[in-house]
Amino acid sequence: ETGVTQTPRHLVMGMTNKKSLKCEQHLGHNAMYWYKQSAKKPLELMFVYNFKEQTENNSVPSRFSPECPNSSHLFLHLHTLQPEDSALYLCASSQSGTGGEAFFGQGTRLTVV
Amino acid sequence: DQQVKQNSPSLSVQEGRISILNCDYTNSMFDYFLWYKKYPAEGPTFLISISSIKDKNEDGRFTVFLNKSAKHLSLHIVPSQPGDSAVYFCAASARGAGSYQLTFGKGTKLSVIP
Repeated sequence: ETGVTQTPRHLVMGMTNKKSLKCEQHLGHNAMYWYKQSAKKPLELMFVYNFKEQTENNSVPSRFSPECPNSSHLFLHLHTLQPEDSALYLCASSQSGTGGEAFFGQGTRLTVV
Repeated sequence: DQQVKQNSPSLSVQEGRISILNCDYTNSMFDYFLWYKKYPAEGPTFLISISSIKDKNEDGRFTVFLNKSAKHLSLHIVPSQPGDSAVYFCAASARGAGSYQLTFGKGTKLSVIP
């Protein structure tokens, strides 16, 4: 248990569906992140939020839409995804002032059919 | 262009022996380095870190060595145990530049053989 909880753990969705991934952290951190892990690729940073403000968008397609209503919750809204978007989506949090260790959730295994 | 490289996708080691996982980086702005361990179906778990002002950091069976001039770091696990079998990710950040984002390598899958 890392203090970062992601739901759902597994998701299968069609290309015309709309779904959301949820992340919650109980560590009092002020920075939250979405990462994507595809097969045989490094973990790719998608979005960074510091104090609820988005500070980084790593050229992520608009079919991925993040939302951070407060520093404990982070969402990733998905719509009209492609099969190549199938991957493990990981949420992480850290105390941005320490620049240190990020704590990861268990991830959501997404399959787009 | 990958800024953090783990050139060995896999490594097999006998139980009780030393495991050495290597990582190279290209961005000279990186000044903080971390190792994460990942089991299947779980998120990465922080293992050990090192700041660029040091060349060694030790925590129990795990030691990380940093060679700044070579832009190389390594993780030593000794003695290796079967429970150490996992994928190990090297990560780096540029704290001095005000960025706390982590850039990850592709990972090395370690198998410790009983």
